[in-house]
Amino acid sequence: AQSVAQPEDQVNVAEGNPLTVKCTYSVSGNPYLFWYVQYPNRGLQFLLKYITGDNLVKGSYGFEAEFNKSQTSFHLKKPSALVSDSALYFCAPTDSWGKLQFGAGTQVVVTP
Amino acid sequence: DAGVIQSPRHEVTEMGQEVTLRCKPISGHDYLFWYRQTMMRGLELLIYFNNNVPIDDSGMPEDRFSAKMPNASFSTLKIQPSEPRDSAVYFCASSLSTGGNGYTFGSGTRLTVV
Repeated sequence: AQSVAQPEDQVNVAEGNPLTVKCTYSVSGNPYLFWYVQYPNRGLQFLLKYITGDNLVKGSYGFEAEFNKSQTSFHLKKPSALVSDSALYFCAPTDSWGKLQFGAGTQVVVTP
Repeated sequence: DAGVIQSPRHEVTEMGQEVTLRCKPISGHDYLFWYRQTMMRGLELLIYFNNNVPIDDSGMPEDRFSAKMPNASFSTLKIQPSEPRDSAVYFCASSLSTGGNGYTFGSGTRLTVV
């Protein structure tokens, strides 16, 4: 069975501190890996993706993600969180047919 | 490009009424997806189309739900009759092929059935 796990329903971090949102997946083959962000009352927006190459990919708004093939993980990171980063974050690997498989989402709350 | 356009943004209807949600994908995108988002169930894929043809509708919850894509620039999701448990945010997304291109989402339609 193909699946994606975001083990934390919510991550709380103080502004200025590093932020990490975890994602592991169980998908056959070599999936492409995506992160999306959803702000309140908005649709999902693309943050970054891993296709091939360097395991560390950089994306929008200062976010980056590290691909770890042996651990089948793709954790999202930001060195210094902002209050405006408070949102719902989705990890999404592609399945065998190339479709995105969205995780349950992790709510990030950044406090001033 | 204006992105994926959904209408209406909000819909409030009475139980038993027919509801039609609309989506205009990005021009040139050949895949279109309909999702439903609720607090309890998260983001669920309802159906997706490739070149206007429905490929997988296994996520459609019941026969009360139907979706069409009469041409490359328009799709509808219809619920008839609507029920309070259909209350959710419905998203449309489009993609240029699958795989590495990702999806572009619309702003969603918030449906409330009273």
